[in-house]
Amino acid sequence: GAVVSQHPSWVICKSGTSVKIECRSLDFQATTMFWYRQFPKQSLMLMATSNEGSKATYEQGVEKDKFLINHASLTLSTLTVTSAHPEDSSFYICSARRDRGREGYTFGSGTRLTVV
Amino acid sequence: DAKTTQPNSMESNEEEPVHLPCNHSTISGTDYIHWYRQLPSQGPEYVIHGLTSNVNNRMASLAIAEDRKSSTLILHRATLRDAAVYYCILRDVRGGNKLVFGAGTILRVKS
Repeated sequence: GAVVSQHPSWVICKSGTSVKIECRSLDFQATTMFWYRQFPKQSLMLMATSNEGSKATYEQGVEKDKFLINHASLTLSTLTVTSAHPEDSSFYICSARRDRGREGYTFGSGTRLTVV
Repeated sequence: DAKTTQPNSMESNEEEPVHLPCNHSTISGTDYIHWYRQLPSQGPEYVIHGLTSNVNNRMASLAIAEDRKSSTLILHRATLRDAAVYYCILRDVRGGNKLVFGAGTILRVKS
């Protein structure tokens, strides 16, 4: 089945530093991947659509200069949280869908970011 | 994005069927109906999806109303492992194929 690997599963960083989160589709190609953020006891909020070889499309209200997305290959998208602040602490989740096939979307296991 | 409405929570007994409803009265002809579930501190898991016809897979069944304004996810025999938040989502193929999550239904399963 389709597998999406997300790394790291958790990270603690200091305020002002940057953190990179990787999302890999292990056994399929994904031209498009998606990044979400989830706060405790809330639903997932779509942040952006990551497109291989082109710029990401950000949802309204999401700062593109703060959340840098790079989709350099058909199996890898990265999200970099720049100049992190405590309010950026959250659960970040990526998802991908096979370019070919009729399955649904596969989600990564998420990254718990804590900014101290 | 077309909206979905789900009950905040539902409770079921183990080994019994569960019917999780979802209303999507503003659905468009190109919207697919997707269901995902999420356990605490995990990414969502795909359950099932469909467009117009009812769908069955090893996890569940999806019953879609004839007018497509509502659907029901059916878990045939609930187990404790089915306790999760269930999300009903509409995917618009014309809108970038993105999935926009609503609040979902918290399903509790009693033993």
